[in-house]
Amino acid sequence: TQLLEQSPQFLSIQEGENLTVYCNSSSVFSSLQWYRQEPGEGPVLLVTVVTGGEVKKLKRLTFQFGDARKDSSLHITAAQPGDTGLYLCAGVPFGGYQKVTFGTGTKLQVIP
Amino acid sequence: NAGVTQTPKFRVLKTGQSMTLLCAQDMNHEYMYWYRQDPGMGLRLIHYSVGEGTTAKGEVPDGYNVSRLKKQNFLLGLESAAPSQTSVYFCASSYYRNSPLHFGNGTRLTVT
Repeated sequence: TQLLEQSPQFLSIQEGENLTVYCNSSSVFSSLQWYRQEPGEGPVLLVTVVTGGEVKKLKRLTFQFGDARKDSSLHITAAQPGDTGLYLCAGVPFGGYQKVTFGTGTKLQVIP
Repeated sequence: NAGVTQTPKFRVLKTGQSMTLLCAQDMNHEYMYWYRQDPGMGLRLIHYSVGEGTTAKGEVPDGYNVSRLKKQNFLLGLESAAPSQTSVYFCASSYYRNSPLHFGNGTRLTVT
């Protein structure tokens, strides 16, 4: 089983602050996906990073895939209450597997 | 466009009872998945299907069965429910193995 550890597990910050969420594994992935999940709903894809060292920006969110393709980070600049939710990373393995491995999740609360 | 639809949204079962969760997708996706989500454990794959008529075991298959008789539907069955199966169940679909997952809004199951 390929494990993905996310840190921190919980984060409560004031509106306007910056934050970083980490997703780490000892396994190498072909790509890594980030999802956000709001209460009572299913996860929704934010971004997929596919190249080692890749950086993708989505408005105030910056995603980075590690050079060794084992880790990723999500940085949010000037957090807004609308960023509140559960953030999940998911690793896509190489080869014949069909199974995406999900991280343990980071629950973010942005206080107005 | 409905995407992925799960029924029912909530269910309470007594130990030993059986039930079937239904997932339907209207995106013509080949791959379908059943996950369970428990606090602090992220999303764990129960079973998945790579096409109509196929099923395969995921990370936590014990106590569950699935069927994919039609491409758009993926059913998850619990033959004899146990309290350990209390969880939120999510169905997802994807066009291909590495494609992003599209999730339904979940079924909250409580087994007493």
